[in-house]
Amino acid sequence: GQSLEQPSEVTAVEGAIVQINCTYQTSGFYGLSWYQQHDGGAPTFLSYNALDGLEETGRFSSFLSRSDSYGYLLLQELQMKDSASYFCAVTERDDKIIFGKGTRLHILP
Amino acid sequence: DAGVTQSPTHLIKTRGQHVTLRCSPISGHKSVSWYQQVLGQGPQFIFQYYEKEERGRGNFPDRFSARQFPNYSSELNVNALLLGDSALYLCASSLGSTNTEAFFGQGTRLTVV
Repeated sequence: GQSLEQPSEVTAVEGAIVQINCTYQTSGFYGLSWYQQHDGGAPTFLSYNALDGLEETGRFSSFLSRSDSYGYLLLQELQMKDSASYFCAVTERDDKIIFGKGTRLHILP
Repeated sequence: DAGVTQSPTHLIKTRGQHVTLRCSPISGHKSVSWYQQVLGQGPQFIFQYYEKEERGRGNFPDRFSARQFPNYSSELNVNALLLGDSALYLCASSLGSTNTEAFFGQGTRLTVV
């Protein structure tokens, strides 16, 4: 079957670094995406990995290991505005996108 | 440039009724996808349309249908509404056929009573 696993909640301190992990099991993997969603808002695209390795975009980085069916999102220099839910999502070869249940990130001052 | 727009923003329907939700993609985007999001869960993939053809379908009953028009806008139709259909319905557009980067609208909040 198809499934994505990510922690339900993570807490970190303002200014620190946090890593949100995602493991997946799908039938035809094409790529892994990350989205941010604030309460009451729409999901916002953060990053996409199709190949193994690290992709860096400002304070956010995303990593993929296809052989391990694993990826993570790394958030550096945490700010209070980063408090949100973060979703990993797998794009499959038949164009389906499977989202994880999301990780709620709490940031403490 | 306008982002993805959805209408209506909120909707209340009675069980058994039919509903049509609308989505206009970002100008130049040819792919539209629909998702259902229940509170506390991730978006669940319903459909993807590219160049007016269905490219992907999630595990939803046949009561759910969609189409894409020549101007790339899209409609999601749900027949015989059930209480469990109450959710936020999100539309996302992307440039190409593969959803590597999707831009989401603010969604339609559907409540079935």
